Amino acid sequence: DTAVSQTPKYLVTQMGNDKSIKCEQNLGHDTMYWYKQDSKKFLKIMFSYNNKELIINETVPNRFSPKSPDKAHLNLHINSLELGDSAVYFCASSPRDNTEAFFGQGTRLTVV
Amino acid sequence: KQEVTQIPAALSVPEGENLVLNCSFTDSAIYNLQWFRQDPGKGLTSLLLIQSSQREQTSGRLNASLDKSSGRSTLYIAASQPGDSATYLCAVRKNSGGYQKVTFGTGTKLQVIP
Repeated sequence: DTAVSQTPKYLVTQMGNDKSIKCEQNLGHDTMYWYKQDSKKFLKIMFSYNNKELIINETVPNRFSPKSPDKAHLNLHINSLELGDSAVYFCASSPRDNTEAFFGQGTRLTVV
Repeated sequence: KQEVTQIPAALSVPEGENLVLNCSFTDSAIYNLQWFRQDPGKGLTSLLLIQSSQREQTSGRLNASLDKSSGRSTLYIAASQPGDSATYLCAVRKNSGGYQKVTFGTGTKLQVIP
């Protein structure tokens, strides 16, 4: 069973469109994250949710809106996509007791 | 603000060599440090997790050490193999306002030449 799953794996879309990436974890973890890995391969945190509550919101354009319907899901919605949004987006989850983080396989977003 | 740096950024070694990857972080008040590998076009695979109270962890040919006071961790890979070729990332976890924040390093791209 996949612990942290993201869909879709690949997403190609035109500038100006609105798109969503879904993430689900079946580990019973309390905390979920979204990370962006840019062209230089640097991973940077975007958001963190704990039990459906937003706890970290790094400097991210407000075109990005995370949504957590329950603690097992954290979806990322992006409005008015721009070329600079092209990247690989990773979802992750971790329990609250500071054990290891588990990552999804990533979603490669390409904006054309 | 936590900053995590990995040196070197890239490393190429012949098969069979032992090697060390370095990770340094600016804020030593961490809860744990985790080493990952990332293969091209794929996600992150957890290798080792060191809690802040520990000094090292071992798994097979991998050994990770942690010196929290100096803000450093090393990942030692023994008898390197071509299959070890990947990007290696360290990540530190800190309690931020009662919750967890994970900050990744800049990564070391390793190539093991047969």
